[in-house]
Amino acid sequence: DTGVSQNPRHKITKRGQNVTFRCDPISEHNRLYWYRQTLGQGPEFLTYFQNEAQLEKSRLLSDRFSAERPKGSFSTLEIQRTEQGDSAMYLCASSVRAETGNTEAFFGQGTRLTVV
Amino acid sequence: GQSLEQPSEVTAVEGAIVQINCTYQTSGFYGLSWYQQHDGGAPTFLSYNALDGLEETGRFSSFLSRSDSYGYLLLQELQMKDSASYFCAVSRGRALTFGSGTRLQVQP
Repeated sequence: DTGVSQNPRHKITKRGQNVTFRCDPISEHNRLYWYRQTLGQGPEFLTYFQNEAQLEKSRLLSDRFSAERPKGSFSTLEIQRTEQGDSAMYLCASSVRAETGNTEAFFGQGTRLTVV
Repeated sequence: GQSLEQPSEVTAVEGAIVQINCTYQTSGFYGLSWYQQHDGGAPTFLSYNALDGLEETGRFSSFLSRSDSYGYLLLQELQMKDSASYFCAVSRGRALTFGSGTRLQVQP
């Protein structure tokens, strides 16, 4: 399978614990995105990497959230001191730059986080 | 800021045609995209309009009018498997900003 892979698929954690999610993008894609999606809503942008550089972060991304993409390959998203409001589906997507500005993003299946 | 509005739900019968509208308020963007998401699944790309007008991809067509801040997705010859959520999204070259989605239910 050469699509975007995310692990784990599900994570249940107690409030206050730290969690880390991993995303393996499509290998030739230099752009990687993290989104968060809650029930009945569209994905909300969290952060964007071009190769290993984190070029954009949403104001939604509090200081408890950190993302890395060492060597421009896989990426990790860590949430420290989780809160119940962090419960959501965390989606990773990757893409290549298109001259038309078409950011056709290929999404992974997501990691569903439940904070209890 | 950017906001996109879509109807929350649409119901149609198999074989019919349905149009899902998207109105937006945003300043400067490259184009309008449409994504499909089945329950429990990942969003998948359907269509992109960089320019005003109609883009056709098989049973799906998408339209954009920048002067009206409006776009739509047209689904023809509806099939049961088209039951899903559909999101419009604007591209500013980097990340996408999504609408809240339209849940399409196709009935036999």
